[in-house]
Amino acid sequence: QQKVQQSPESLSVPEGGMASLNCTSSDRNFQYFWWYRQHSGEGPKALMSIFSDGDKKEGRFTAHLNKASLHVSLHIRDSQPSDSALYFCAVSEQGNSGTYQRFGTGTKLQVVP
Amino acid sequence: EAAVTQSPRNKVAVTGGKVTLSCNQTNNHNNMYWYRQDTGHGLRLIHYSYGAGSTEKGDIPDGYKASRPSQENFSLILELATPSQTSVYFCASAEGGANTEVFFGKGTRLTVV
Repeated sequence: QQKVQQSPESLSVPEGGMASLNCTSSDRNFQYFWWYRQHSGEGPKALMSIFSDGDKKEGRFTAHLNKASLHVSLHIRDSQPSDSALYFCAVSEQGNSGTYQRFGTGTKLQVVP
Repeated sequence: EAAVTQSPRNKVAVTGGKVTLSCNQTNNHNNMYWYRQDTGHGLRLIHYSYGAGSTEKGDIPDGYKASRPSQENFSLILELATPSQTSVYFCASAEGGANTEVFFGKGTRLTVV
């Protein structure tokens, strides 16, 4: 069973619109939530991380974390065609001798011109 | 920006054969990781390492071995490849710590026939 669940699986928004992605962890043993973006043919690249309850904004991207429910969301305002990609949520966890990140199932975002 | 280089980028292997996927990073990161990406499963952690000579099992280590002979190099070894191991494999590196970004290579597409 996947410990990091994302929804929806896919999402289509018009150019200039707002895209909202969701992520829930089933494991309270996390340290940070991360959001990554992957364009076709490339490896994932980090967008931002969040640790504290509430909002964190970086440009057009805003992450919202609710620690009590282990839920984080990513909101992309003024969506652009270049935002079309696969978005992953990840949680950083403590291993035997250091940290690793466990990734979710991904949300495919399509921004329609 | 952190550089993670994977080789080969594409590989076709026969069932029962041995496959070695190689990864090199030039950023002196302590941590390195191997993930596989499959539709519906997202990115799943296979093995990881916190430094030269160390390897740890991730969430799906069965059928895979890992080797970290140096700070820069981390290999994934499939001793007896099976068609179920057909996937895209990503190597990644990070400095370490919960709030450090993970940097990914461009991936290796492996097909086992």
